[in-house]
Amino acid sequence: AAGVIQSPRHLIKEKRETATLKCYPIPRHDTVYWYQQGPGQDPQFLISFYEKMQSDKGSIPDRFSAQQFSDYHSELNMSSLELGDSALYFCASRSRRVMDTGELFFGEGSRLTVL
Amino acid sequence: DAKTTQPPSMDCAEGRAANLPCNHSTISGNEYVYWYRQIHSQGPQYIIHGLKNNETNEMASLIITEDRKSSTLILPHATLRDTAVYYCIVSYSMNRDDKIIFGKGTRLHILP
Repeated sequence: AAGVIQSPRHLIKEKRETATLKCYPIPRHDTVYWYQQGPGQDPQFLISFYEKMQSDKGSIPDRFSAQQFSDYHSELNMSSLELGDSALYFCASRSRRVMDTGELFFGEGSRLTVL
Repeated sequence: DAKTTQPPSMDCAEGRAANLPCNHSTISGNEYVYWYRQIHSQGPQYIIHGLKNNETNEMASLIITEDRKSSTLILPHATLRDTAVYYCIVSYSMNRDDKIIFGKGTRLHILP
C-alpha cells in the first residue's frame, strides 16, 4: 500500500541558508501535518493543512512557511536556517472522511542538519 | 499542550504482557484515544484507537476506563522489537482537531 513519501530523506545546509522539504500524502488523504523532532525530543506540531488551506498552527517559527498544493502534496520552506533547526521533520497525513478511522500515517522523515 | 500524561519509562520481560498506562482526565465526550509508537528515529506508527469500548487488533488491546479518564495499552506478548517510545494521544477522529499534540510518551524497554 502507498505510504506517506517525504523528500529528501537527508539534507545538509549551512547557517542562514534555505531548505525545502516535500511531503506526498497517501492518496485520498485530505489533511497533512508537519512535525519537528529534535534530538531526544518528542515530535512537536508545526502546522497542518486541510484541503489545501492551513487549518492549524503550532510552534512554527516565522522563518518557516508551508503550503499544500492542488495535488495535496505539501512543502515546508525554512529560511535563515539556524543550528537549532537541525532535526527530523515528519509529515503525516490522514483522511477526515466519515468512513475512515482518522489515524495519522507518518512518513519516514527528513533529517535536516544545519552546519 | 498535550492532554495526556504517561510514565516516562517502563521495563517488561520478553514474552510477558506489557501494560502501558495513560491518563487523560480532561478528555471530552467525542474525543478518541489513539496510541502510536516510535521505534528509534522512524516515523511514528499507529497502533490502535478507541472511544469508549475496549478494542483489540493484531498488535494490541486498548482498555478504556468507564469514566474515560485513563486507558491502558496492552501488548500481550512483548518481543524485543516492541522496544520503542509509546505515545497516547487524545484527538477527534475525523474533524476539527488539526493540532494533534504528542506528549512525553513512555519509553518501553523489553528485557531479554
